[in-house]
Amino acid sequence: DGGITQSPKYLFRKEGQNVTLSCEQNLNHDAMYWYRQDPGQGLRLIYYSQIVNDFQKGDIAEGYSVSREKKESFPLTVTSAQKNPTAFYLCASSKGITDTQYFGPGTRLTVL
Amino acid sequence: AQSVAQPEDQVNVAEGNPLTVKCTYSVSGNPYLFWYVQYPNRGLQFLLKYITGDNLVKGSYGFEAEFNKSQTSFHLKKPSALVSDSALYFCAVRDIAGGYQKVTFGTGTKLQVIP
Repeated sequence: DGGITQSPKYLFRKEGQNVTLSCEQNLNHDAMYWYRQDPGQGLRLIYYSQIVNDFQKGDIAEGYSVSREKKESFPLTVTSAQKNPTAFYLCASSKGITDTQYFGPGTRLTVL
Repeated sequence: AQSVAQPEDQVNVAEGNPLTVKCTYSVSGNPYLFWYVQYPNRGLQFLLKYITGDNLVKGSYGFEAEFNKSQTSFHLKKPSALVSDSALYFCAVRDIAGGYQKVTFGTGTKLQVIP
């Protein structure tokens, strides 16, 4: 997982609450990504950012928001508008457009 | 639109036997292809990638993959499976859409190596 940290590892949220997942990297990578993983499914892209102060919606952006104010950080907010937020969330980063993505250890979010 | 398919949800193989995990892809341009492995409750770990060059790509932990353009496949292989290889394997394809890079992951194949 080296160089990318996600916190917390486990997160519990009550319905109707917003929650922010942290992702930090010290690899000096320009691009960062957020994925959602559900049991029996692959990874689905939520948001990605190629450079600071720029980000793009992925395939399932509804109910999520991000910011990229610093190169090292790409926090993801799961809003109350996300109807089914319980999942495993993975953050990744890559140096450039053809480079390998490196993943953090993930955050498991459970809505109570 | 780009896509990637992993036709097998699970592959079972006896320890010491060769293993193959299948992946096919569809992209509009030249494909950049990747294999990742995921152990339970962990992030994905990079195994290998193909961008250009030799069709046989060697990666971590003794894995290799063969790029076949005519069959649009990128199957993961290992000559002799270990019990510790049991994990979830993801194939991914990278493409450029609208000037932004985008990676699409397959649904994953669970590899079970039987002692």
